[in-house]
Amino acid sequence: GAGVSQSPRYKVAKRGQDVALRCDPISGHVSLFWYQQALGQGPEFLTYFQNEAQLDKSGLPSDRFFAERPEGSVSTLKIQRTQQEDSAVYLCASGSRRLAGPYEQYFGPGTRLTVT
Amino acid sequence: GQNIDQPTEMTATEGAIVQINCTYQTSGFNGLFWYQQHAGEAPTFLSYNVLDGLEEKGRFSSFLSRSKGYSYLLLKELQMKDSASYLCALNSGGYQKVTFGTGTKLQVIP
Repeated sequence: GAGVSQSPRYKVAKRGQDVALRCDPISGHVSLFWYQQALGQGPEFLTYFQNEAQLDKSGLPSDRFFAERPEGSVSTLKIQRTQQEDSAVYLCASGSRRLAGPYEQYFGPGTRLTVT
Repeated sequence: GQNIDQPTEMTATEGAIVQINCTYQTSGFNGLFWYQQHAGEAPTFLSYNVLDGLEEKGRFSSFLSRSKGYSYLLLKELQMKDSASYLCALNSGGYQKVTFGTGTKLQVIP
């Protein structure tokens, strides 16, 4: 079956450009997460959706970052006026409810963003 | 908030056993994940511990002590393909948010 897909896989942006990163979750998964992973670090939480509702955006580093999931399926992470510190891998994960406890998260391959 | 500590790097020999430790501080603990991440790839789920004790799954086992804020991942009969980063991650609080540690990069040598 299809897993989580993300596009583009690689993106090079000039400083100041806007970018949009897409995530296609596993069909039927209610929960969707975005993470930012810098080189040599663990993923850092950005935001969380349950269906189309954005329940937590506390991890978004600035108001230049915006995420949406208008129909409760595909999600887009948009970064406006990119800065060099935005260079990272952006991971999307969709969640399947475990028998007990939180959602088990299935990760996409990520989008590697390089801001020059 | 949460605080997660794990060694940055480890090296082990093919065929041997290695234990990767993770200590944490948190409030509202729900459970602890271990993920494997090969270089340039997405993390993949290994285990989730809610209760104290050891859970075994093939060559991989995970242990949790909630009172000590401690977990470890045990890898037996190491193979070269086990060279990867191993991420300890906490689920705490009221919902699905998971906080990851920085990961332990394991190198398996012949």
